[in-house]
Amino acid sequence: KAGVTQTPRYLIKTRGQQVTLSCSPISGHRSVSWYQQTPGQGLQFLFEYFSETQRNKGNFPGRFSGRQFSNSRSEMNVSTLELGDSALYLCASSVDRSYTGELFFGEGSRLTVL
Amino acid sequence: SQQGEEDPQALSIQEGENATMNCSYKTSINNLQWYRQNSGRGLVHLILIRSNEREKHSGRLRVTLDTSKKSSSLLITASRAADTASYFCATDANDYKLSFGAGTTVTVRA
Repeated sequence: KAGVTQTPRYLIKTRGQQVTLSCSPISGHRSVSWYQQTPGQGLQFLFEYFSETQRNKGNFPGRFSGRQFSNSRSEMNVSTLELGDSALYLCASSVDRSYTGELFFGEGSRLTVL
Repeated sequence: SQQGEEDPQALSIQEGENATMNCSYKTSINNLQWYRQNSGRGLVHLILIRSNEREKHSGRLRVTLDTSKKSSSLLITASRAADTASYFCATDANDYKLSFGAGTTVTVRA
């Protein structure tokens, strides 16, 4: 079974630009979550989607948005990039349950903002 | 802000020794999980312990949970060089997300 796939793996952008990151969950997994990891703030929750519905959102500005498609694939978008958005963005999928079980993480998309 | 605090921040041990790290959290939880991350890669799930469980084993891993103290510990026995990684605790408060601690960086010396 293929794991969680994130694309692109690495990207460099300049301040003010926007970026779209993509995540393909494990087949059969309907829940997709996104996390931002930085040396200063650690792992911070961005959002969680199930069946195209956002069920929870972290404490990030409106420049951060996401969506999930009917095939469970997900994208996140960051507009008007700032230097502080440089981070490893991790996507994770799981089998939907009433509580959060084991998350399966992708290798991440490493974003550098210059 | 993060839910969990981990202790110690870093740990260096000799191969074959045991490694113990602790996690404290603030709110009521459904379950607590431990993950490993190798050098900026994705996280790998190690073990999940539910709020009504006190101890769980998986191979060389032993996890304890004390909900009265809101704390958990992860013990890795007979450590190997391949155990060199960062370890994170994460709590589920039944809100469709995990809240991660800051992590413990473990270095296993040959």
